[in-house]
Amino acid sequence: EVQLVESGGDLAQPGGSLRLSCAASGFTFSSYSMNWVRQAPGKGLEWVSYITGSGTTIRYADSVKGRFTVSRDNAKNSLELQMNRLRDDDTAVYYCARDRSGVPFDQWGQGTRVTVSS
Amino acid sequence: SYELTQPPSVSLSPGQTARITCSGDALSQQFIYWYQQKPGQAPVLLIFKDRERPSGIPDRFSGSTAGTTATLTISGVQTDDEADYYCQSAGTSSVYVFGSGTKVTVL
Repeated sequence: EVQLVESGGDLAQPGGSLRLSCAASGFTFSSYSMNWVRQAPGKGLEWVSYITGSGTTIRYADSVKGRFTVSRDNAKNSLELQMNRLRDDDTAVYYCARDRSGVPFDQWGQGTRVTVSS
Repeated sequence: SYELTQPPSVSLSPGQTARITCSGDALSQQFIYWYQQKPGQAPVLLIFKDRERPSGIPDRFSGSTAGTTATLTISGVQTDDEADYYCQSAGTSSVYVFGSGTKVTVL
């Protein structure tokens, strides 16, 4: 069974940093690209970041470019999102989602909540 | 930036057919995907590549496209289908883009 479990969400101050993790199991992690998607309270879904299975191709939404860094450790089946210079509008539930070839978000984690507030 | 436009809400009675549209200038050249999100839960993939259903998704859910508009159809809607529904496709300046979402209420 495919499982994606996010962790690391917390309360952070504006300008601060957080590191999110996504533990994957039930599939060959290194064979799949992965995404981060977020959802602000009461709002819709927003794609945040994409990384290929090898980690060689990485993309970011304009809203987080230069502040967030995605990485992965295929030996540990883990996806990470380093979030720096946090802003109030980064407050959201952050989901990791598997990217199967031709199907961008075929499996989702349960999400981890990030609150940015002073 | 590229946007996918969905109606904010759809209300209907059990047994009726719900049709949720998603419009985007580039949809005639791109695949569309649909997700269902119930309150407090993660989204679930409903339809991929315009009209394909993942295993386990009831055949009450179907997808279609016509030009720059895609439609998710829920036939014989049930109270359990109350949820937010999002369309998604490839973006222009971003890798992926989601529609604004449609809240389906079953009265």
